Amino acid sequence: GAGVSQSPSNKVTEKGKDVELRCDPISGHTALYWYRQSLGQGLEFLIYFQGNSAPDKSGLPSDRFSAERTGGSVSTLTIQRTQQEDSAVYLCASSSDRGRHGYTFGSGTRLTVV
Amino acid sequence: GNSVTQMEGPVTLSEEAFLTINCTYTATGYPSLFWYVQYPGEGLQLLLKATKADDKGSNKGFEATYRKETTSFHLEKGSVQVSDSAVYFCALSGGSEKLVFGKGMKLTVNP
Repeated sequence: GAGVSQSPSNKVTEKGKDVELRCDPISGHTALYWYRQSLGQGLEFLIYFQGNSAPDKSGLPSDRFSAERTGGSVSTLTIQRTQQEDSAVYLCASSSDRGRHGYTFGSGTRLTVV
Repeated sequence: GNSVTQMEGPVTLSEEAFLTINCTYTATGYPSLFWYVQYPGEGLQLLLKATKADDKGSNKGFEATYRKETTSFHLEKGSVQVSDSAVYFCALSGGSEKLVFGKGMKLTVNP
């Protein structure tokens, strides 16, 4: 596609429920990144994919968080048993050159856990 | 590890004022440096970049020069507009593929 597409744009869920966030990167971009943006916390790296493999998962906050990427394209970030502190904007980005020239970001999914 | 330190603000300026947002970094090797901007209600957009020392990135009247001797990449604009109101993030990419961001600075420009 022309840009990075994320869905849903907004998600309200009850504490304890599981959620799935989707990212559709720019066609042909081999690298895909997930970040989290919390109020007052800046941008927090979560995980990086090169193709379908994840060389760097160091930012995932707990084992409730997981992500996969299939076909070198779409990625899904899953949060199990959501907690209120998971409320944030989840941003996806992709790049064709491992970030050397920057990423293209999607508009994000705003997750609210009530 | 790699890190970025930038002015956090918030900062309020009048239209046509001069803007400087300081950014310094710590990195091994030769990172690429970026400024991203996030307008209200929108996602992050790449504003400008520089991939080697002494490069100057520029876009929309904004400029930043990659200074290896001072490990800095300060963002400047000579005359800000109301439409420049946004959050500005300094970032670097160095070896580990992931971008490391500063905490962001909220700029409000009043008419």
